[in-house]
Amino acid sequence: EDQVTQSPEALRLQEGESSSLNCSYTVSGLRGLFWYRQDPGKGPEFLFTLYSAGEEKEKERLKATLTKKESFLHITAPKPEDSATYLCAVHANAGGTSYGKLTFGQGTILTVHP
Amino acid sequence: SQTIHQWPATLVQPVGSPLSLECTVEGTSNPNLYWYRQAAGRGLQLLFYSVGIGQISSEVPQNLSASRPQDRQFILSSKKLLLSDSGFYLCAWTGSLNYGYTFGSGTRLTVV
Repeated sequence: EDQVTQSPEALRLQEGESSSLNCSYTVSGLRGLFWYRQDPGKGPEFLFTLYSAGEEKEKERLKATLTKKESFLHITAPKPEDSATYLCAVHANAGGTSYGKLTFGQGTILTVHP
Repeated sequence: SQTIHQWPATLVQPVGSPLSLECTVEGTSNPNLYWYRQAAGRGLQLLFYSVGIGQISSEVPQNLSASRPQDRQFILSSKKLLLSDSGFYLCAWTGSLNYGYTFGSGTRLTVV
């Protein structure tokens, strides 16, 4: 069974204090790893898709990286508006078929203080 | 552009009452559609998915059911709600997983 574990569960940063969120995964045949941002009471918002080890993608203060076992979401010089829950999800082969099922981690709650 | 609509935003229902949550997608055809539930402090759990009209697959046994009467309409239902059905329900669609899912705004269901 596909498993996704995110750490830490919660992270508090001061504005400008860079850090990283971790997403460890165990799947049979990774087809894609996704990062989402979720604000309280809202649906998750797509950030990145990573497909293969060594791949990196950036968007403003966020950079996502991927290895064969984990992904990191690096946050550089965060601002209070970056406060949200960050979710990691994987899309994997399921017996050679796929209907687009994503398996999500529990999320990391990020709070950035001014 | 594609948009996804989900309603209602919040719902408080007594135990034993029926449920109907609706989700519609605009600007695309033949999308894959999904219902997820998010319990407080936890990740998203896939409940149902659909790859076409009338085609519904269930991921976990539960008190809920889903239907897809039209190409871009996905409905989550229950005949009798349980306290354990409380949660945040999210509808999502995808055409190409290169961009992951696009989620609706969610429905906060509280069963009392």
